[in-house]
Amino acid sequence: DAKTTQPPSMDCAEGRAANLPCNHSTISGNEYVYWYRQIHSQGPQYIIHGLKNNETNEMASLIITEDRKSSTLILPHATLRDTAVYYCIVRVFNTGNQFYFGTGTSLTVIP
Amino acid sequence: ETGVTQTPRHLVMGMTNKKSLKCEQHLGHNAMYWYKQSAKKPLELMFVYSLEERVENNSVPSRFSPECPNSSHLFLHLHTLQPEDSALYLCASSQQTGEPEQYFGPGTRLTVT
Repeated sequence: DAKTTQPPSMDCAEGRAANLPCNHSTISGNEYVYWYRQIHSQGPQYIIHGLKNNETNEMASLIITEDRKSSTLILPHATLRDTAVYYCIVRVFNTGNQFYFGTGTSLTVIP
Repeated sequence: ETGVTQTPRHLVMGMTNKKSLKCEQHLGHNAMYWYKQSAKKPLELMFVYSLEERVENNSVPSRFSPECPNSSHLFLHLHTLQPEDSALYLCASSQQTGEPEQYFGPGTRLTVT
């Protein structure tokens, strides 16, 4: 029941910023945007989440457009270890509604 | 190392076998989850437990039977599986259900022959 659209794959040069887009044009006012990633042969890993303000943590930055219909996850200096599938998910915060992962974007960081 | 462990990491079983997958979390969380990840498909949520009570069951066939004896342990009992059940089975936990951050284990790669 994914409500998001992401490109299936992207490449990024090592050391450059990786900008991963996500469209969520039907997002509701009380739904947050979450990002997870899954490195090959591992379980998914939480990255960041936000409602309408831009957010930054030690892993990434999340930029949400003013109309909230799209967002971009930014990895400021991509490394080879950032090669993974990145999932953008929208969900009402902390209500017990669960995460429904889509097909994500497969990011390959190139040396 | 996420604090969530799963055993076994790999399992091959026949369609008439009975086996169990085990998940243990060392994070003091109250919610635990089972997910299924098939090749070329999105991650599918199977079961949700909160304080050992099942709170969600997403139309999973009865050949998959979860058990949560305490808030640190979660099992998935398997019997008379089909080849299409071959997948990566992932366990996750969070402080409460609905928390933004779920911690995932490494998964059990299951092959049904």
